[in-house]
This record gives sequence, C-alpha cells and structure tokens, in this order.
Amino acid sequence: AQSVTQLGSHVSVSEGALVLLRCNYSSSVPPYLFWYVQYPNQGLQLLLKYTSAATLVKGINGFEAEFKKSETSFHLTKPSAHMSDAAEYFCAVSVNTGGFKTIFGAGTRLFVKA
Amino acid sequence: GAVVSQHPSRVICKSGTSVKIECRSLDFQATTMFWYRQFPKKSLMLMATSNEGSKATYEQGVEKDKFLINHASLTLSTLTVTSAHPEDSSFYICSARGVVSSGGAYTQYFGPGTRLTVL
Repeated sequence: AQSVTQLGSHVSVSEGALVLLRCNYSSSVPPYLFWYVQYPNQGLQLLLKYTSAATLVKGINGFEAEFKKSETSFHLTKPSAHMSDAAEYFCAVSVNTGGFKTIFGAGTRLFVKA
Repeated sequence: GAVVSQHPSRVICKSGTSVKIECRSLDFQATTMFWYRQFPKKSLMLMATSNEGSKATYEQGVEKDKFLINHASLTLSTLTVTSAHPEDSSFYICSARGVVSSGGAYTQYFGPGTRLTVL
C-alpha cells in the first residue's frame, strides 16, 4: 500500500525567502506524485506532478519539486516566497494497482511573513 | 482547462435528513470518480472510488449504506449522505479522472468542494 508523509504541519517563512515543503512517500509500485495547493474554503489546485519523466518538475507560480527515488522524496520548493503563497499544501501519491487511487499527505500550512 | 463542478457548494440540513451532492465533469468523460472527505484543518480522506455503471468501492471504515454513491453516467456522480448527523458535517470533495483531449493522458481533476453542516 502507498502512503505519504509530509514533514511539518506548519512552515513559516519571510516574504522573499526560500520555501521548502517536505514530502516522503512509500509505494510498492512506481508512483505518480503530485503537489496541490488549497486556499481556505476552496478545492484543490494542481501545482505540479511527476509522472516518470524528468525528475525535476516545474509547476505553476514558480514552484518546483524534485523526485528522488533513493530518498523516496518529492520536496516542493520556491526560491522566493510571496504573500499570496500562504495556503495549505498537500503532497499526494497515485498508483494503479488494479484500480487508480490517489492518497494525500496530512498537509502543510505555509505562512508567509511580511 | 478541464472543470469539475459540485452542487451545492454549501448545504445546511437538520439531523436525520438525507443530502445529495452532485459532481459533474464539464468538458470530459470521467471513467472514474472519487469522493473525498476533509475535516477542518485536516487532509483529504478517500471515501470511495466509482467507475461508471458499476458499484462504488469504499475505503475501509466508510459505511456504504451511509454514503450512497451513484455513478450513472460518464459525467455525473452523486454522493448521498443518508440520515445525516452532526458528525457527518464536513467538506466533501469529488474528483474525476479522464482524458480531456484526444491522445492526451489520463488526469485527475478536483471539484471545488461542498460544505455540509448538519444541525
């Protein structure tokens, strides 16, 4: 069975600072990996996804993530935080084992200080 | 881009009543639809997976008689919370997986969610 662990339920950075949100996964088969962002009382917006192509994935709003199989990690980064980046971020893993299923991590709340 | 809609966006009901939530894929056919539940400040928990025309597969711990799922067509799935109680209050999010354009890859899209409050 697959699982996702997001390290740190809350991350606080200053505006302009590096954003690093950590995600580790466990999967018995090659996974697809995703990062989603959720603003209050809204649905999910896909930031980026890894689907077995390039290990460094670039997404929207300046975010990127690197798939590291040896570390079973898929950390999300952004060089310079903006106030509008404050939101909840979810890492997710999808596998197809006789049926497609997506499992989410617990989420990380990003706070951006002025 | 592909859109998944949910209706209603917000619903308040009395304890003991049943509530139906609709999920539609607006510009693609969804071979598989998923229903998630999100508690305040928590992650999304997969409730069930449904394929068009077949019975839904429920995750462990989810009562299938409590949460009725119907996937009658390739663009519509419904979740009915039967005999709702305050503990059923939550944010319900549907998701649809399909191919938006010919030759494209299967992609999963999420709806905006439905806030259910049971008094």
